[in-house]
Amino acid sequence: AQTIHQWPVAEIKAVGSPLSLGCTIKGKSSPNLYWYWQATGGTLQQLFYSITVGQVESVVQLNLSASRPKDDQFILSTEKLLLSHSGFYLCAWGTGEAEQFFGPGTRLTVL
Amino acid sequence: GDSVTQTEGPVTVSESESLIINCTYSATSIAYPNLFWYVRYPGEGLQLLLKVITAGQKGSSRGFEATYNKETTSFHLQKASVQESDSAVYYCALGMNYNQGKLIFGQGTKLSIKP
Repeated sequence: AQTIHQWPVAEIKAVGSPLSLGCTIKGKSSPNLYWYWQATGGTLQQLFYSITVGQVESVVQLNLSASRPKDDQFILSTEKLLLSHSGFYLCAWGTGEAEQFFGPGTRLTVL
Repeated sequence: GDSVTQTEGPVTVSESESLIINCTYSATSIAYPNLFWYVRYPGEGLQLLLKVITAGQKGSSRGFEATYNKETTSFHLQKASVQESDSAVYYCALGMNYNQGKLIFGQGTKLSIKP
């Protein structure tokens, strides 16, 4: 069975500080990987997707970046956090055909 | 553009009553999108409740049903008799069935069941 792990579970960070969120998928070879973000009271928006190692496409510009250093790992980062980055970040995997499977998420608070 | 609109919450229903959460979509970039209902139970992650990838078909899971209606561009979620354990946030989503696999979500509907 496939499992998806996200870290950290929650973060409280200062405006202007760097950020790195991670996601690991086990039990699935060469999945499509996705990052989603949900602002408080908002809807889930897809931020990035990756079909293969080393390749990431941006869907929404939020002054964030993503990388896929390994087949099973997806990293979301920024050098400088903004207040507007607060929210809930979800990593997901899929095959590109139908449904996606989501991780438990990371709650980010920027102060 | 592509978008999903669903019943604005919160919604409160008494146990054993029927439920309908409305979902309508607009799909301009693809003629026949995939349609999904996801659910987040308290303290748990987002999980797939049901999916339908063919227009005119019905999906069902855990007593919930939804029919893919292309004429009305709707995918309403229904249950004949809700239970307290159905309390959760429900999300309707539109899926693009090509390589990117983009999902577009509605705003979510928080459902509370009164015992």
